[in-house]
Amino acid sequence: DAKTTQPPSMDCAEGRAANLPCNHSTISGNEYVYWYRQIHSQGPQYIIHGLKNNETNEMASLIITEDRKSSTLILPHATLRDTAVYYCIVRVSTWHFGNEKLTFGTGTRLTIIP
Amino acid sequence: GAGVSQTPSNKVTEKGKYVELRCDPISGHTALYWYRQSLGQGPEFLIYFQGTGAADDSGLPNDRFFAVRPEGSVSTLKIQRTERGDSAVYLCASSQSGEGSYEQYFGPGTRLTVT
Repeated sequence: DAKTTQPPSMDCAEGRAANLPCNHSTISGNEYVYWYRQIHSQGPQYIIHGLKNNETNEMASLIITEDRKSSTLILPHATLRDTAVYYCIVRVSTWHFGNEKLTFGTGTRLTIIP
Repeated sequence: GAGVSQTPSNKVTEKGKYVELRCDPISGHTALYWYRQSLGQGPEFLIYFQGTGAADDSGLPNDRFFAVRPEGSVSTLKIQRTERGDSAVYLCASSQSGEGSYEQYFGPGTRLTVT
């Protein structure tokens, strides 16, 4: 799987939009971009994923650049409960092997400031 | 519905002992994954099951580690002759399978401490 680069930490004021960047310049055509987060002492929680197009769900939006070499996760109105480590992962998915492993880096530690 | 559950939540064992960690995936999920997470690091892949068979066990660190999923549902991770370096949180995840890309749902983990 391609490697990703994320800033080690970020702060965001409560109620503001949190924009978390991720660089994946070596991504392949069959690799999806996934975002997970991990709140202290819990298992990772799925947030969103995408292949080419921008995606939005009830938790966040994912913006993928046209060349797919970078993406941004947007939490539109950050709350204190969004304080967590956020992981950007690129992952192969093939019809034959199904959904393979996730390769986590060290992520971005996002702190929401009251 | 019920999520992924793992038992025990905490396990303390002495160096050299044998331990078993259990994972109950979400009902109907055919794919099951084990990861382990050391302090300050992201989770590290260990093994992936598709049904009853191990589709990828490339992350198992050595032959002291073994995992089974005999009926394609519950899985057990087994560690023989535990070492202090095995201390970590062991995470289990499950997902749907098939064409496309599916998210993995993680359990709360088992914290293993080897003294």
